[in-house]
Amino acid sequence: GENVEQHPSTLSVQEGDSAVIKCTYSDSASNYFPWYKQELGKRPQLIIDIRSNVGEKKDQRIAVTLNKTAKHFSLHITETQPEDSAVYFCAASNTGTASKLTFGTGTRLQVTL
Amino acid sequence: NAGVMQNPRHLVRRRGQEARLRCSPMKGHSHVYWYRQLPEEGLKFMVYLQKENIIDESGMPKERFSAEFPKEGPSILRIQQVVRGDSAAYFCASSAGTGGKNSPLHFGNGTRLTVT
Repeated sequence: GENVEQHPSTLSVQEGDSAVIKCTYSDSASNYFPWYKQELGKRPQLIIDIRSNVGEKKDQRIAVTLNKTAKHFSLHITETQPEDSAVYFCAASNTGTASKLTFGTGTRLQVTL
Repeated sequence: NAGVMQNPRHLVRRRGQEARLRCSPMKGHSHVYWYRQLPEEGLKFMVYLQKENIIDESGMPKERFSAEFPKEGPSILRIQQVVRGDSAAYFCASSAGTGGKNSPLHFGNGTRLTVT
């Protein structure tokens, strides 16, 4: 089955700096890679996703890059703000078969003033 | 759109009791997924259901756990004879399709189960 590894487990940045979170996956058949943000005690919320036919996708301060050859993908947050503080999860799935997402173990991002 | 509705938000059970967790998908969504999240960990897939059908239950423990999504009413995750290790947050998610780009998963607020 799929295995997703995520690094770092914790990340502290100063407000205005950039944050990068990296994930690797094992199943070459995976073709869908969403990122979720989870604030304390709340639901995971989809913030951006990318499919395997695209190398990069951007939405305002958030961007995701995908390297299919190396089987890794990354989340980039620019101009970080205190409200970006949360736990971020990457995930992977093969939407051609099962629809389950395999999640990484999460990155706790702390944006300090 | 009320989103994915889960209840109860918090559930306390003694060891050996049964826990029933309910999930109503977003309006128009016919695919339901259950995930379990242990403290400080990621979400682990449990089961994927469509109306009256279990599509994938590869993440469900072999014993004590069952799930259903009847023709009418919410999806139910049932845990019999709960043990302390069942304490976790259980999240339900729904999608209009198979969870791809055009039908992403939307999560509910979760049910936090505590077994005493």
